[in-house]
Formats: sequence, C-alpha cells, structure tokens
Amino acid sequence: DVKVTQSSRYLVKRTGEKVFLECVQDMDHENMFWYRQDPGLGLRLIYFSYDVKMKEKGDIPEGYSVSREKKERFSLILESASTNQTSMYLCASSDPSSGVAKNIQYFGAGTRLSVL
Amino acid sequence: AQTVTQSQPEMSVQEAETVTLSCTYDTSENNYYLFWYKQPPSRQMILVIRQEAYKQQNATENRFSVNFQKAAKSFSLKISDSQLGDTAMYFCAFMKHSNYQLIWGAGTKLIIKP
Repeated sequence: DVKVTQSSRYLVKRTGEKVFLECVQDMDHENMFWYRQDPGLGLRLIYFSYDVKMKEKGDIPEGYSVSREKKERFSLILESASTNQTSMYLCASSDPSSGVAKNIQYFGAGTRLSVL
Repeated sequence: AQTVTQSQPEMSVQEAETVTLSCTYDTSENNYYLFWYKQPPSRQMILVIRQEAYKQQNATENRFSVNFQKAAKSFSLKISDSQLGDTAMYFCAFMKHSNYQLIWGAGTKLIIKP
C-alpha cells in the first residue's frame, strides 16, 4: 500500500512564525502535491513538484514556498504565518507512468494548522 | 479554465438505500480523467472510482458506479446498498490528459443514517 505521511496532525503557531509542514511518501512517486482544504471551497492546489528540485505554482502559491531535495520528501513552508493561513493542509503523491495506478493521487492524513 | 461543480452541499439517506451524488464540469478538452474521492471523518482522502473520458462504458467498483454523460459534462456517483461506513465528504475532481493537476469540486457531505 502507498503510504503518505505528514509530520503533524495538528499544529498551532503564532502570526509571523516560519512554519514547516513535512510530507514523505514511500512509493517512489515522481509527483507530489500540497493542497489547502477549506469548507465549501474543496481542495486548492498550492504547489506541485514533478521531480527532485522541480516545482510549479498552483492556484494559491502566495505566502507559501516548497522544497523537494529528495524524491520522497516534499516540504511546504509558510514564510511568515498569518491568520488567513489557518486551514487543513493535505499532501498527496502520484505516479504519472502507465499502469492501473496512473495519475491516482494518494493522500496523507492532513495537518490542521491554526495560526493565532 | 476548467471548473467542477457539486450542487449538493449535504445529503442524508437511510442505511441500505441508494444515493446519487451529482457532479458537473466545464472543459473544452476532449481527453481527460474524472475522479470521485472520499474523505471519511478524521481520516485520509481515498479514491472511490475513476473514469477515462474516452471510455464510453461507465466505471464500477463494487457498490459504487458512475453515470458519465460526456456531452452533458456530467459525472454522477451512485452508491448502492449504502452502509454506515459510507458517511464521508465526497469530492468530484477533473484532470486534463496532458496534466497531472486535479481540479476539485467543493464536496458533498453524505450522512448515512442507521
């Protein structure tokens, strides 16, 4: 089974703090994603990475950055946390190659971040 | 730009009943994928079912099936013999064939009552 692990389930931070959310996958997937989930808005893509050190902006990258130094790990960074970044953050990975699992995204359990 | 619309914010049915969740999408693409994902309370998002647009046959996975109407840009999910464990948020999502990114609907909260 694919396993996507997010380092924290719950996180409470202060406004202005630098926040790191970590995600690790164990299936050698090339693609990794960071989403933000808010009620009534579904999931919105923050950043996407299709290879080590490669990244693309999603729909809402402002206030966030990412790092992918190793294939299995994709980090989301909030440079200076603000209250409007209070949300659920989901990490996912996928394999773009052929086969029955092609392009299926596998998710971590999520990190619920509160910025006070 | 592609959009995905789920018009039912919340639904509830009795256990063992059949329920259909609606999803419509807007795209000018001809080749794409459609997905239904499920997010149980406090648990991980998991794939329920996937449909490739070039396949006319509707996808099925055990009690879950879809009604894919390409011309109408409609992709509804039918859950037969619903179970308490089906209680979850259900998200419809669209992916262009040439792109790895998913466009998500707002979700439908489904409650199965005993």
